[in-house]
Amino acid sequence: AQSVTQLGSHVSVSEGALVLLRCNYSSSVPPYLFWYVQYPNQGLQLLLKYTSAATLVKGINGFEAEFKKSETSFHLTKPSAHMSDAAEYFCAVSGNNDMRFGAGTRLTVKP
Amino acid sequence: DTGVSQDPRHKITKRGQNVTFRCDPISEHNRLYWYRQTLGQGPEFLTYFQNEAQLEKSRLLSDRFSAERPKGSFSTLEIQRTEQGDSAMYLCASSLGTGVLKRGNEQFFGPGTRLTVL
Repeated sequence: AQSVTQLGSHVSVSEGALVLLRCNYSSSVPPYLFWYVQYPNQGLQLLLKYTSAATLVKGINGFEAEFKKSETSFHLTKPSAHMSDAAEYFCAVSGNNDMRFGAGTRLTVKP
Repeated sequence: DTGVSQDPRHKITKRGQNVTFRCDPISEHNRLYWYRQTLGQGPEFLTYFQNEAQLEKSRLLSDRFSAERPKGSFSTLEIQRTEQGDSAMYLCASSLGTGVLKRGNEQFFGPGTRLTVL
């Protein structure tokens, strides 16, 4: 079975600082991993995905994530936070017929 | 706009009433999913369709819940005899379920229907 765990339900950074959102996965097969962002009262928007090609994946809005098999991790990073990055972020792993989501990390960006 | 749409966006109902939500997927997508999201949690899988066939249902989907996709296009999710515990955001997503990387095909989400049961 596939699952993900997001470490830290809330992360607060200053504008311009590094953003690091942590995600660890568990999968009995080679995983396909995703990061989604959700703004208030909206659906989920895909930031990036890993599908067994390059281990460093670049996404939209300056985000990237690195797949590390040895650590079973897929952490999301952005070098410099912007106020518009404030949102809920979800890590997910693709199951056979569904997407398994973590509990989410709320990112707050302070001016 | 050719994204996934859901209607209504908000629904307030009294306990015991029936409610129905609609989802219109991206037109060329053959897979359609329903998720439920409660406050502070990630979306939880409810059910999915490939074309008009409902191929999997989560144990979260009690007998009061029913979903249909009659012509392989739009889908409806009905909740009968609503309970306060049904209050949540109901999300619909669609994807292409073909090709070698079908497990890697991302799901495109609609804006959701927020249900409040009083």
